[in-house]
Amino acid sequence: DAGVIQSPRHEVTEMGQEVTLRCKPISGHDYLFWYRQTMMRGLELLIYFNNNVPIDDSGMPEDRFSAKMPNASFSTLKIQPSEPRDSAVYFCASRRTSGGNNEQFFGPGTRLTVL
Amino acid sequence: QQQVKQSPQSLIVQKGGISIINCAYENTAFDYFPWYQQFPGKGPALLIAIRPDVSEKKEGRFTISFNKSAKQFSLHIMDSQPGDSATYFCAASFVSGYNKLIFGAGTRLAVHP
Repeated sequence: DAGVIQSPRHEVTEMGQEVTLRCKPISGHDYLFWYRQTMMRGLELLIYFNNNVPIDDSGMPEDRFSAKMPNASFSTLKIQPSEPRDSAVYFCASRRTSGGNNEQFFGPGTRLTVL
Repeated sequence: QQQVKQSPQSLIVQKGGISIINCAYENTAFDYFPWYQQFPGKGPALLIAIRPDVSEKKEGRFTISFNKSAKQFSLHIMDSQPGDSATYFCAASFVSGYNKLIFGAGTRLAVHP
């Protein structure tokens, strides 16, 4: 299994531009999570999906952030317009529902820099 | 109610020593307590996890100690090695239902040779 795949690995953009981060979860996993990691705030859950349906988006910082999961093998996190304070590492993680095993598998992350 | 407090923020240990990282939680309904390990430039990866029906779980050099009455749990790394140098996150969640991991702030461990 290739694991969770994220693209791009690095993104540098200018303030005001639209940014789209992409994630391919592990095949067969029915939960998908988007996290943001910064030095100041640590690892924050932004939103998660179950069977492609958004379940909890209470961590999404503001309306500039949106996430979609059009099918079981693809999700996007979009920031528009981007701001310098959005600079962070964004992780996607996936998990399979099974008895007693809550392991989330994280992707390698996308390092976003907004100038 | 949803917080997980982790300490210390950073830890320096000599090779062969014992590394100890502590976490405390508030919500007594949590029933799953994992530790994740993160190397620079990588995503976190599950290291070891415990359920509250046991007080200790050991996997190789890594041990979780769990104190349900105190609402605390800790990670012990025995015979710490330079390769253990990473950031460690404790977390808590519910096993059933739509669960989400509540992560601690992380501990940056450096094991010096």
